[in-house]
Amino acid sequence: GIQVEQSPPDLILQEGANSTLRCNFSDSVNNLQWFHQNPWGQLINLFYIPSGTKQNGRLSATTVATERYSLLYISSSQTTDSGVYFCAVRIAGANNLFFGTGTRLTVIP
Amino acid sequence: DGGITQSPKYLFRKEGQNVTLSCEQNLNHDAMYWYRQDPGQGLRLIYYSQIVNDFQKGDIAEGYSVSREKKESFPLTVTSAQKNPTAFYLCASMERGANEKLFFGSGTQLSVL
Repeated sequence: GIQVEQSPPDLILQEGANSTLRCNFSDSVNNLQWFHQNPWGQLINLFYIPSGTKQNGRLSATTVATERYSLLYISSSQTTDSGVYFCAVRIAGANNLFFGTGTRLTVIP
Repeated sequence: DGGITQSPKYLFRKEGQNVTLSCEQNLNHDAMYWYRQDPGQGLRLIYYSQIVNDFQKGDIAEGYSVSREKKESFPLTVTSAQKNPTAFYLCASMERGANEKLFFGSGTQLSVL
């Protein structure tokens, strides 16, 4: 099956710092999404981004499908950005998304 | 408010008991999913349904069962055959079209007494 690797596994930032999270995948995909899981377990969809670049406030994401990776940028981090960030992908012909193991982000004041 | 509602938030299971987790959505999505999350881990797919009265096994379906009698509802039963049921269970639905985004409920924490 498809392999989805996220790095780094853990990240600690001072409030106000910027960060880049990476998602590598082993096969061609037709769907890629980024999620944030808050400390209470709720998963929020951040981006649907099978290719190209999108921005939403302090967050932006870029997927280079031909090179099989995606990046999530967080600028001017806030304590509320803490949690786990997952990327999930779907290969052509499949009906479901496959999740990576996540990056745990801790933002300290 | 449109969204996905999971209940209960916390559930305890005794040995040999079947328990059912509820998932209801009012987003008019055709596709629904059940995932299991163990502490510090990613999400693994249990079952999914693309349409009413049809569902398929995911990667870890053993010990679980589902039904899809209505578009809005996709309940998950954790049977006594599931020997390690303690986990966080997440229900999701996906919209179709130009942006096939996945949306999640708030989850159910299942523990064994």
